[in-house]
Amino acid sequence: GAVVSQHPSRVICKSGTSVKIECRSLDFQATTMFWYRQFPKQSLMLMATSNEGSKATYEQGVEKDKFLINHASLTLSTLTVTSAHPEDSSFYICSARKGAPNTEAFFGQGTRLTVV
Amino acid sequence: QKEVEQNSGPLSVPEGAIASLNCTYSDRVSQSFFWYRQYSGKSPELIMSIYSNGDKEDGRFTAQLNKASQYVSLLIRDSQPSDSATYLCAVKVYSGGGADGLTFGKGTHLIIQP
Repeated sequence: GAVVSQHPSRVICKSGTSVKIECRSLDFQATTMFWYRQFPKQSLMLMATSNEGSKATYEQGVEKDKFLINHASLTLSTLTVTSAHPEDSSFYICSARKGAPNTEAFFGQGTRLTVV
Repeated sequence: QKEVEQNSGPLSVPEGAIASLNCTYSDRVSQSFFWYRQYSGKSPELIMSIYSNGDKEDGRFTAQLNKASQYVSLLIRDSQPSDSATYLCAVKVYSGGGADGLTFGKGTHLIIQP
């Protein structure tokens, strides 16, 4: 199978600080990675699509300067939440795809971010 | 605006019965359809994918797609207590641009009663 590892699984940070979340594809090269956010009792909302070596494509309403995405290699994408505030507290989940758009993407375990 | 609609439930089904989960979507050009299972506090895991009209069976699971009605469903036969979870319907549209992630419904909370 295909394994996607996300780190950390949980993080608590102070308001105003920045937090970096890593998403790694462990046994395949991910041409495309996706970042989702899920608030309690809500569905996953796509934040951005990240293709290796190019700038991420952000969904409408997602601030690209606040949620910095770097996809520098075929096995690693990072999401940095800058100047985090309590309203950014959420479950952040990445997924990675190794092939064409019609192929399956595999999810990481998710990161529970709590901003205090 | 792409939308995926699901009944949030909870849907309560006796153990051993068939659980039927439904989903409708708004974007007619949607091309791929997925059912994910999500346990509380965990990441979604893929149950089924379906791309063409009709039924697709995999073990106890059957996905059904009707593109004319913009409707996709998931049947779970011989329901087990371990099937209790939130089931997310997801749809993909291949736009050819840089963004082609999934659009998710809010999920249906399924409870299998022992």
